[in-house]
Amino acid sequence: GNSVTQMEGPVTLSEEAFLTINCTYTATGYPSLFWYVQYPGEGLQLLLKATKADDKGSNKGFEATYRKETTSFHLEKGSVQVSDSAVYFCALSDRWIQGAQKLVFGQGTRLTINP
Amino acid sequence: DGGITQSPKYLFRKEGQNVTLSCEQNLNHDAMYWYRQDPGQGLRLIYYSQIVNDFQKGDIAEGYSVSREKKESFPLTVTSAQKNPTAFYLCASSIGESEQYFGPGTRLTVT
Repeated sequence: GNSVTQMEGPVTLSEEAFLTINCTYTATGYPSLFWYVQYPGEGLQLLLKATKADDKGSNKGFEATYRKETTSFHLEKGSVQVSDSAVYFCALSDRWIQGAQKLVFGQGTRLTINP
Repeated sequence: DGGITQSPKYLFRKEGQNVTLSCEQNLNHDAMYWYRQDPGQGLRLIYYSQIVNDFQKGDIAEGYSVSREKKESFPLTVTSAQKNPTAFYLCASSIGESEQYFGPGTRLTVT
């Protein structure tokens, strides 16, 4: 079945460092890809998404490009802030279901930014 | 403000008891979902509902039950048959196949 593999954490960086969190996927067909963020004690928020190959999703300084040839969707940010500390989940939309969206999640990567 | 409400934030139960987790949304979304999150793991889908009075099993439905009598509400019951019920439970909703919006979650501890 479809699956998502994320870079293992935790990841600890200093403020203003460059961030990359790797995500690769296995899927039949052409799923949509997502990055979600979870702040401590909260639910998930959609950070960005891409729906077809070569699309770039971006939001709040974060970017990720849908690479079909490498089956990857790596998350990047040029200069991280302490407020970016959270758990980041990569996900793909699984097989088509009418009227709903079935997501498959990676295991999550905990990011800590030190001042 | 529209959103998803889950209550309570923390829930404690004794082993062998059934417990029902609440999820309410005022976003007018048709689809609703329940996920389970364990430490170091991603979210796993328990049940989902595309429309009132209909729901489908997800990947880990054993030991759980749901109902969808109203569009706004999708309660999850964790039964005594669930072998390892202690987890963080997240409810979500969407307009069909579009973006899912998540609630703040309920942390269930069973001892």
